[in-house]
Amino acid sequence: EVQVLESGGGLVQPGGSLRLSCAASGFTFSGQSMNWVRQAPGKGLEWVSLITARGDTTYYRDSVKGRFTISRDNSKNTLFLQMNSLRAEDTAIYYCANGKDNPFYYWGQGTLVTVSS
Amino acid sequence: DIQMTQSPSSLSASIGDRVTITCRASQGIGDALAWYQQKSGKAPKRLIYAASTLQSEVPSRFSGSGSGTEFTLTISSLQPEDFATYYCLQHYTFPWTFGQGTKVEIK
Repeated sequence: EVQVLESGGGLVQPGGSLRLSCAASGFTFSGQSMNWVRQAPGKGLEWVSLITARGDTTYYRDSVKGRFTISRDNSKNTLFLQMNSLRAEDTAIYYCANGKDNPFYYWGQGTLVTVSS
Repeated sequence: DIQMTQSPSSLSASIGDRVTITCRASQGIGDALAWYQQKSGKAPKRLIYAASTLQSEVPSRFSGSGSGTEFTLTISSLQPEDFATYYCLQHYTFPWTFGQGTKVEIK
């Protein structure tokens, strides 16, 4: 059975930092690119970042470039998102999801990040 | 960035109705298009990939078509469990972009 479990969300002040984790099992994690996708409260879906299977290439949306860093530990089947200089507009549920060629078949349940003073 | 214009933004339909949702890409994306269903408080679920390939375990009343810039998701006979929000996604080029969503409600 496939399981994808995000953690690390919470309330943080503007300018603060958070590190999200995504633990995956039940599929070949090390063989797949992985992504973070977010959804602001009551809004649509927004792709945030992708890391390739070996972790040697990353992509980001412009609004998070220079502030967010995606990484992975294939020995622990875990994906990370380091978020620095957080802004109110980063408030969202953050989902971890797999894939690059035909993306987003496996999803986690999401973790809520709230940026507020 | 490629803009995905999804229409309508919402619709009301009855059980058994045929429903069509459209996504238009601002430039050609081949068949790098997927459709997702999201129910309230849940993660999205992939319905269609490669524009027209039905995800295994998804009912055959769902179908996708199109290529290039025009894409369609069709539900041939709407069922009670289909009331949800639907999104298209282009993954042809980064940044990947979603349509703004179509909320399907009960008439």
